[in-house]
Amino acid sequence: EIVMTQSPATLPVSPGERATLSCRASQSVSSNLAWYQQKPGQAPRLLIYGASTRATGIPARFSGSGSGTEFTLTISSLQSDDFAVYYCQRYNSWPYTFGQGTKLEIK
Amino acid sequence: QVTLKESGPALVKPTQTLTLTCTFSGFSLSTPQMRVAWIRQPPGKALEWLARIDWDDDKFYITSLETRLTISKDTSKNQVVLTMTNMDPVDTATYYCVRLASGYFDYWGQGTLVTVSS
Repeated sequence: EIVMTQSPATLPVSPGERATLSCRASQSVSSNLAWYQQKPGQAPRLLIYGASTRATGIPARFSGSGSGTEFTLTISSLQSDDFAVYYCQRYNSWPYTFGQGTKLEIK
Repeated sequence: QVTLKESGPALVKPTQTLTLTCTFSGFSLSTPQMRVAWIRQPPGKALEWLARIDWDDDKFYITSLETRLTISKDTSKNQVVLTMTNMDPVDTATYYCVRLASGYFDYWGQGTLVTVSS
């Protein structure tokens, strides 16, 4: 089974700065990679699919890149609403597994 | 507008069977390529998918829990039901019903917290 590894586990960033979150797959998943945001007490929300396509209603400050085994979620100019946990998820083959998450916290 | 909502008991005892119902709207599970899955999240931990059911009634389960899980659908009621037998305290989690779109989960229910305790 392909394992998804996210780093770092926690990322302290100041509001207004850029955040870069990483996700690595143990084998190639091509571009079959999604990113989700989860705020406390809420269900996850789809941000990015196809490694780089923003979901409906997602602000342009969120961008995804990568293919194969290395992926990045970049959030430019962090806003207070962006501090949350972010998960990557592969869907190249079933089972569609998630990473362990990166918690974006206020520095 | 796509919505999904989970319902079921908030508290179950160890060894009991959990039955969760997902009632959805805005799409039909009889439409080709439509899929619904259950995902759970223990408190403070990561997401873990459990089961999936497709428009053609294909079913898939996480290997580690396969013997305990059953997923089914009632297309006429727009419902998907998940049963999990022999519940244990480690199964305490928020359980989400989600729709799959080409592999990624595009719509999520609000989740329902299930606590397993005597």
